Amino acid sequence: AQTVTQSQPEMSVQEAETVTLSCTYDTSENNYYLFWYKQPPSRQMILVIRQEAYKQQNATENRFSVNFQKAAKSFSLKISDSQLGDTAMYFCAFMSYFSGNTPLVFGKGTRLSVIA
Amino acid sequence: GAVVSQHPSWVICKSGTSVKIECRSLDFQATTMFWYRQFPKQSLMLMATSNEGSKATYEQGVEKDKFLINHASLTLSTLTVTSAHPEDSSFYICSARDRSPDINNEQFFGPGTRLTVL
Repeated sequence: AQTVTQSQPEMSVQEAETVTLSCTYDTSENNYYLFWYKQPPSRQMILVIRQEAYKQQNATENRFSVNFQKAAKSFSLKISDSQLGDTAMYFCAFMSYFSGNTPLVFGKGTRLSVIA
Repeated sequence: GAVVSQHPSWVICKSGTSVKIECRSLDFQATTMFWYRQFPKQSLMLMATSNEGSKATYEQGVEKDKFLINHASLTLSTLTVTSAHPEDSSFYICSARDRSPDINNEQFFGPGTRLTVL
């Protein structure tokens, strides 16, 4: 079974600075998807970024980018130019490539606070 | 993007009553829907996976007779908490997977339902 580990329960960053959230995972599969979701105080889950394991290029979405290290099974999220609106819980998630009915496997989350 | 709605957004009920939560995919057809439970400051815990027209698959430790799931159409799944007790108080979130083959790998989440059992 796949597992996802987020080792940083809480982090804080100054506004406009850069912060990196860590995520490691364990799987025996070669093809899969990795995600970062954001859950603000409203508790709506928002997809931040997605990475396909078969793609070597790291995904980027505006101020959000990932460092995907497949051999190390590491998938960190970098937030540049942090904004107050980035304050939220961030969850790393894994999904099998041949998904069918398989659900997302979530990490325990990292609570990020952006400080003015 | 795809939209998933949940109704109600919050509900308060008396112990012993049943509560139904609806999850709808508004602009796409969902082959599979998932139900999660989330306690404060914790991650999402998968309760069950439901497929249109078939019985739900429950995770270990989740009572299927207490948490009834029905996925009657490609746009609607319901979760009924039967004989609710205070320990069932939680935040329930559904998600839906689009059946379109080109975006079959993405799940879309509802806004969640806060259940409080008195």
